Amino acid sequence: EAGVTQFPSHSVIEKGQTVTLRCDPISGHDNLYWYRRVMGKEIKFLLHFVKESKQDESGMPNNRFLAERTGGTYSTLKVQPAELEDSGVYFCASSQELSGGKNNEQFFGPGTRLTVL
Amino acid sequence: AQSVTQLDSQVPVFEEAPVELRCNYSSSVSVYLFWYVQYPNQGLQLLLKYLSGSTLVKGINGFEAEFNKSQTSFHLRKPSVHISDTAEYFCAVSFSFGNEKLTFGTGTRLTIIP
Repeated sequence: EAGVTQFPSHSVIEKGQTVTLRCDPISGHDNLYWYRRVMGKEIKFLLHFVKESKQDESGMPNNRFLAERTGGTYSTLKVQPAELEDSGVYFCASSQELSGGKNNEQFFGPGTRLTVL
Repeated sequence: AQSVTQLDSQVPVFEEAPVELRCNYSSSVSVYLFWYVQYPNQGLQLLLKYLSGSTLVKGINGFEAEFNKSQTSFHLRKPSVHISDTAEYFCAVSFSFGNEKLTFGTGTRLTIIP
């Protein structure tokens, strides 16, 4: 079974440009998460989809970030316009539907390293 | 609000020696606890998790962790490390009530010295 995949693995753009990151979760996983790690700091939660709906977007830094999950399958995270402080590694994770309040394991992708110059 | 502290950013250990990576958390409610590992050029992989029950949790690759509620700690241990354990280790927590988002510590880079 394929794991969580992310594309691209690396992206280098200039300040002011637009970048779109893609995440393909494990097939059948309704929950999809985006996280970000700025260099040297902790991995921070950005948002959580349940199928195509945004369950929690409390971690999105500002309105330059737009996440979508059309059809409840893959997700995209667009940064427009990119700023220097957006540089970091963006991780995507997916998990199965919650059942009976049980916390289900999140499976992580390899991340996309974004560098804004 | 939840928070996770990993005081050691880097830990060098000789091969075959024991290791302990420390993790403390702060939360006003019950939490689930996790340790993830990131090997070079790979994604995060779950090492082990504490949801309930026995406070000593065994994970993959010979790692184990002990949940200590009074000290709000969840330290990771391995009795004898191998070169292949070189990686970055992350402690994380989530709420117990269906909110799965993970709050991570800053990570501990484990370096094994031959």
